[in-house]
Order: sequence, then C-alpha cells, then structure tokens
Amino acid sequence: GENVEQHPSTLSVQEGDSAVIKCTYSDSASNYFPWYKQELGKGPQLIIDIRSNVGEKKDQRIAVTLNKTAKHFSLHITETQPEDSAVYFCAASKGSNYQLIWGAGTKLIIKP
Amino acid sequence: NAGVMQNPRHLVRRRGQEARLRCSPMKGHSHVYWYRQLPEEGLKFMVYLQKENIIDESGMPKERFSAEFPKEGPSILRIQQVVRGDSAAYFCASSPQDRLRAFFGQGTRLTVV
Repeated sequence: GENVEQHPSTLSVQEGDSAVIKCTYSDSASNYFPWYKQELGKGPQLIIDIRSNVGEKKDQRIAVTLNKTAKHFSLHITETQPEDSAVYFCAASKGSNYQLIWGAGTKLIIKP
Repeated sequence: NAGVMQNPRHLVRRRGQEARLRCSPMKGHSHVYWYRQLPEEGLKFMVYLQKENIIDESGMPKERFSAEFPKEGPSILRIQQVVRGDSAAYFCASSPQDRLRAFFGQGTRLTVV
C-alpha cells in the first residue's frame, strides 16, 4: 500500500525567511497531494493541493511542487509570519480524496 | 455557510462505556469521512460514508466500532465498550458531490479513563 514520509519533523525558521517541507510517496498511482495546516486543538485545514497532471501550484506565499518521477512533493512558504506556526501534514491518495495517506507531520516554528 | 460541525469537542468515558461522536457535514456535502489521530501523528482513515451507505470501512476496527450517515441528521461514529487505547482525536471531514477537497471539523477528543 501507499506510504508517505515527511521531513523534517520539526523546522524552526526566522520570521521573514522561507520554509520548505518535503514528502515522498511510494505508490506511483497516487495522483492527488494535499497539504494541511493544523493548529493546536483544531482540525486540519486544507491550504493547498496539487494533482499529478501539474508540476507546480502557487497561492500567494504558499507553493507546492511535484516531481512524479522521483515521487516527491514539497511545500514552500515564503516570507514566513508568526501565524504560520503550526503542524503541517502532507498526504497522498489515488483517484479520490478519501483514504488519504498522511505523513507524520512537521512542526513549523517561526522565530520572531 | 457553517463548516463541518463536530460534537462534543471533548468526551470522557470510563472503560466499558459507549462513546457517540457526531458530525454534521458542510451544507451541500454528501460525502463524510472519519479519521483518527493519535498525539503527534498523522491522521488514519477509518470510514467513508454517503447518505445511508457505507462506502469503505476498511480502516475501522471490525469490533466495537460502527458508523452511520442517515438520510436525516448527522453522521455518527459509535464506539462500544471503550478501552484506554481508544483515547484519541477523532476527526470528521466532508466533501461535495465530486469528492474533491475534504474539509475537516474541529474534532472530538475522546479520553477513556
């Protein structure tokens, strides 16, 4: 079955700098890759997603890149702000968005 | 347009009791998914339902756990005879007809004492 690995587990960056979180997946049939942000005590919030027919997608300060050959995808956050501090999860699925297989999460800390 | 509503937010049960978790999907969404999250871990898929139908329950333990999404009312995740290992956060998500993009509720944190 699908397996999603996420790195790093913790990432600390200076406010204003960029943050990059990377995920790899094992099943080449996976074709949907969302990223979720989870703040303490809250549910995951979808922040961006990408399908396998595109290599990059951007939404303001957030971008996701996908390398299907290498089976990895990355989240890029530029000009980080204190409110970006949270746990970020990547996920992958085939065909539909249920049975999302989740990474273990990255705790992003933005230092003032 | 309210988001996915889950209640209760926190639930404490003694070992052997029953836990009932409720989820009202977003307006217009007919697909509901339940996930479970242990501390400092990602979410694990449990079950996928449409109105009056269980589509995929492959992630749900076969004993003590059940789920329903009736024609009227919220989706219910039911855990009978709870054990300490059931303590976790349980999240519900919903998506519209075309199953794109699941939106999550705030979760129910179950503590078994």
